[in-house]
Amino acid sequence: GAVVSQHPSWVICKSGTSVKIECRSLDFQATTMFWYRQFPKQSLMLMATSNEGSKATYEQGVEKDKFLINHASLTLSTLTVTSAHPEDSSFYICSARDRGRSYEQYFGPGTRLTVT
Amino acid sequence: AQSVTQLDSQVPVFEEAPVELRCNYSSSVSVYLFWYVQYPNQGLQLLLKYLSGSTLVESINGFEAEFNKSQTSFHLRKPSVHISDTAEYFCAVTYNTDKLIFGTGTRLQVFP
Repeated sequence: GAVVSQHPSWVICKSGTSVKIECRSLDFQATTMFWYRQFPKQSLMLMATSNEGSKATYEQGVEKDKFLINHASLTLSTLTVTSAHPEDSSFYICSARDRGRSYEQYFGPGTRLTVT
Repeated sequence: AQSVTQLDSQVPVFEEAPVELRCNYSSSVSVYLFWYVQYPNQGLQLLLKYLSGSTLVESINGFEAEFNKSQTSFHLRKPSVHISDTAEYFCAVTYNTDKLIFGTGTRLQVFP
């Protein structure tokens, strides 16, 4: 149980285009989902927290107009990188918190984004 | 400020040797502690967790960690490592069941 999927697992896009990444909780309801960014050989940096049905809360320094987050249902959150640039290339990981277990987060497998 | 410190960025060890990955956190009344493992190009997998109760927690693959409140530590240990244990290990803490705060990670490299 407690499986989180991400799609796509990797994506290459041209500079200036937008990319959408999906995060799904497959066997539980996730009232809260988190989006992280990870640079090579570094730790995870929390970008934003999204709660189902409400606006996401962004961490300091993260541009909310560039990284659009939507959490439309209890099993799906999306991250859209708008007008992507090469510096947005990174590994993006989502996690979800089970409504019944508020202290645990379950992580997706990550999405490798490369902007050319 | 709330923080997690993993002092060792890399730990090289030979197969079948014991290993300890260190983790310290900033003190708080209530804390939940986690160890995650990350294999190359993959997401994080929960290795073990401390929520309450026994201060010694174990994983199914031989790792264990001990919550030491007086030393604010949650070190990860394994008595005999395998090649397959080569990965990045992250210690994480949540203070109020909200955000997870991650350490900088420790790269465990097991040599034959």
